[in-house]
Amino acid sequence: DADVTQTPRNRITKTGKRIMLECSQTKGHDRMYWYRQDPGLGLRLIYYSFDVKDINKGEISDGYSVSRQAQAKFSLSLESAIPNQTALYFCATSDPRRGGTLHFGNGTRLTVT
Amino acid sequence: GNSVTQMEGPVTLSEEAFLTINCTYTATGYPSLFWYVQYPGEGLQLLLKATKADDKGSNKGFEATYRKETTSFHLEKGSVQVSDSAVYFCALSDNDYKLSFGAGTTVTVRA
Repeated sequence: DADVTQTPRNRITKTGKRIMLECSQTKGHDRMYWYRQDPGLGLRLIYYSFDVKDINKGEISDGYSVSRQAQAKFSLSLESAIPNQTALYFCATSDPRRGGTLHFGNGTRLTVT
Repeated sequence: GNSVTQMEGPVTLSEEAFLTINCTYTATGYPSLFWYVQYPGEGLQLLLKATKADDKGSNKGFEATYRKETTSFHLEKGSVQVSDSAVYFCALSDNDYKLSFGAGTTVTVRA
């Protein structure tokens, strides 16, 4: 079983719809992240959380919100999806006591039509 | 702020060829440097890292040396295999472990 699980793997939605992407982890890490990947742009940080009560904006948080429901769960919401939010979204975790290496899920491919 | 510039792809090689992917960075202080690899349909996974100047990271035949004087962390492998076909990302982190990624380089190795 994957240590970092993202659901759904693929999603197609229409402009204006609200959508939630979910992430759960069994690694016991406190830190969790949401990134989006676009061709030619690499990965850009949307939000990150260092513990359940700590949520921080990344470089591209506009149009997104997050919820850290538990140490193991971190969800990303698009309140009103728009086509330029079509991308591959990754959740990741890290443990600073072990060098801070990021551990990624397999991604959610989101298409907004 | 922090930034990473890596060589544009795509790169296509024959098996057993030598691979180099250039990566340079801009950062304040002394960041840690990473190479991540993304195989088709998967998330990124750490390939190697270096935490201070002149450190060499190595894994699976890949190597990269942290060069502070040239602000570079170039990835090399002496003899690539078809299974090395992937997207490679250079990244750096500041002290609170937020990573800044390069754009990624797609490598295709042909048999």
